[in-house]
Amino acid sequence: EIVMTQSPATLSVSPGEGATLSCRASQSVNSKLAWYQQKPGQAPRLLIYDAYTRATGIPARFSGSGSGTEFTLTISSLQSEDFAVYYCQQYNIWPPLTFGGGTKVEIK
Amino acid sequence: QVQLVESGGGVVQPGRSLRLSCAASGFTFSRYGMHWVRQAPGKGLEWVAVIWHDGGQKVYADSVKGRFAISRDNSENTLYLQMNSLSAEDTAVYYCARDDDGDRNVFDYWGQGTLVAVSS
Repeated sequence: EIVMTQSPATLSVSPGEGATLSCRASQSVNSKLAWYQQKPGQAPRLLIYDAYTRATGIPARFSGSGSGTEFTLTISSLQSEDFAVYYCQQYNIWPPLTFGGGTKVEIK
Repeated sequence: QVQLVESGGGVVQPGRSLRLSCAASGFTFSRYGMHWVRQAPGKGLEWVAVIWHDGGQKVYADSVKGRFAISRDNSENTLYLQMNSLSAEDTAVYYCARDDDGDRNVFDYWGQGTLVAVSS
């Protein structure tokens, strides 16, 4: 099973600032990496797939990068609606499909 | 617009069974693989199972293999999850999710979730 590790667990950011979230895979997942955003009481929402491709309707301030075992989600200028928990997910080697433990982006 | 609506959750005693449903609309259901993903209270996401667009293949997480069964009725645009021999570790919100490109294993649309609580 591929283990996905996200860091940091919590990130405190002021509105308007940028944020960088990390995701590491226990072995290479090539570029088969997705990012999701989840707000309290809501279902997750797909942000990025194939490591850097934005899903439909996702603002350009969200960008993904990386390949192999190291990935990054960057939010260029945080808006109030961006404070949430973010999960990465690998879909290269499965079953199982696996998620990281999440990074909570909170208001500083 | 794409809609996924889960139902069937509730409180159930350990060892009992429960069947979840997911009603799909706004897209051609029979063209997409479908997944169940769960989230224990205050925890992260855990993939549970997938079924191919035509129901021909089904794959499960080890944690539910032999106890859960995923199925679908393409004539009714509905996805199911039959859960047997439930334990406290199965307590979670269960989401159905659409596979974004048929079988890419990326989840582009999610339902609102249904809570399953296993408790005596």
